[in-house]
Amino acid sequence: EPEVTQTPSHQVTQMGQEVILRCVPISNHLYFYWYRQILGQKVEFLVSFYNNEISEKSEIFDDQFSVERPDGSNFTLKIRSTKLEDSAMYFCASRRLAADTGELFFGEGSRLTVL
Amino acid sequence: QKEVEQNSGPLSVPEGAIASLNCTYSDRGSQSFFWYRQYSGKSPELIMFIYSNGDKEDGRFTAQLNKASQYVSLLIRDSQPSDSATYLCAVNLWGGATNKLIFGTGTLLAVQP
Repeated sequence: EPEVTQTPSHQVTQMGQEVILRCVPISNHLYFYWYRQILGQKVEFLVSFYNNEISEKSEIFDDQFSVERPDGSNFTLKIRSTKLEDSAMYFCASRRLAADTGELFFGEGSRLTVL
Repeated sequence: QKEVEQNSGPLSVPEGAIASLNCTYSDRGSQSFFWYRQYSGKSPELIMFIYSNGDKEDGRFTAQLNKASQYVSLLIRDSQPSDSATYLCAVNLWGGATNKLIFGTGTLLAVQP
């Protein structure tokens, strides 16, 4: 069964460092998302990406964040200068079409720990 | 601000009982509704979705939707200890290129053997 894959599963970094989280969405999916979940809190929308551009971003997704799809398969989330409060689980998700039931398929997540 | 509200729980039920999980949402434009299960430290896993008023059954799970009341629920029959997890309600607005899901905080279900 096709799945969304994410790497790394866990990354520990120092405050102020740049991190890149990688995702490989399901191959025939067209819409891509990043969500995050701070420990004990809800799953929060960060950004959606379609047709090689951001279609929507949340208030959380400030100038420190960026996304790109460099090679038609990987979908990356970059945090330029990490802060302690960026510590969270980051989930990549994808969906096939816009006009379907809207089911998102989630990857297993990348846990980011900022020290 | 579009909100999805859930009781955080924990909801404790004995094994074999029916667990009832509830969710309300604020945006009347919401078109489809999802229940995800999330085990601790894991990613959300889709249980079922519903977009028409009424009931939808899938095995031991039944989703119920009442758009007039902006209410969606999930019933789990014959609850098992393996059902112990956090259940996330999510809603989706159709239209545009985003179609993002908005999640509630989740309800922690504990099924007691």
